[in-house]
Amino acid sequence: SQQGEEDPQALSIQEGENATMNCSYKTSINNLQWYRQNSGRGLVHLILIRSNEREKHSGRLRVTLDTSKKSSSLLITASRAADTASYFCASTQGGSEKLVFGKGTKLTVNP
Amino acid sequence: DSGVTQTPKHLITATGQRVTLRCSPRSGDLSVYWYQQSLDQGLQFLIHYYNGEERAKGNILERFSAQQFPDLHSELNLSSLELGDSALYFCASSVGGPSLNNYGYTFGSGTRLTVV
Repeated sequence: SQQGEEDPQALSIQEGENATMNCSYKTSINNLQWYRQNSGRGLVHLILIRSNEREKHSGRLRVTLDTSKKSSSLLITASRAADTASYFCASTQGGSEKLVFGKGTKLTVNP
Repeated sequence: DSGVTQTPKHLITATGQRVTLRCSPRSGDLSVYWYQQSLDQGLQFLIHYYNGEERAKGNILERFSAQQFPDLHSELNLSSLELGDSALYFCASSVGGPSLNNYGYTFGSGTRLTVV
């Protein structure tokens, strides 16, 4: 079962533009994580935001978390062609030991 | 190189066969997780081991089994293979379990299994 659902499923933008991806989840979480996957490669951890945090930054990445709406967003600023990848949100439910991933957003940044 | 090593990288086998996928976690990580990624099902959690003990099971078929050895490497055994088992199988590791983990998982580069 999918805990997180990313939106949109696919996003195409021009280099230099900002990209925003959203994630909604169903149950209470301990933390929410974002990962990037280049085609056919392993996933790379980008950022983790705890349930008591509202916003977190890492370089050109900004993640927000709204636990009342059970949603998170990932903003990539000043996008580059190298940001082309699929982006996944993932979370654990309550005390569960399962980290469950959404289906991802496929981002294409055109040079 | 993420520090998580998966072998083999590619595997082609026939239906009905059995294969073993191997994973060595990043140095110092006690948890190993297995995921299956296919086009139609996305990333599916299979199983989690922590320091040799099974901690959580996901949608893992009875034909699949796994274990984590004293040196912390893990093996995923897939038997009576079917065409639908063709997928990317990822191993990931972390220091603690997911609910206590504040640093995310480190993924290996995966094993691409093709069942013909």
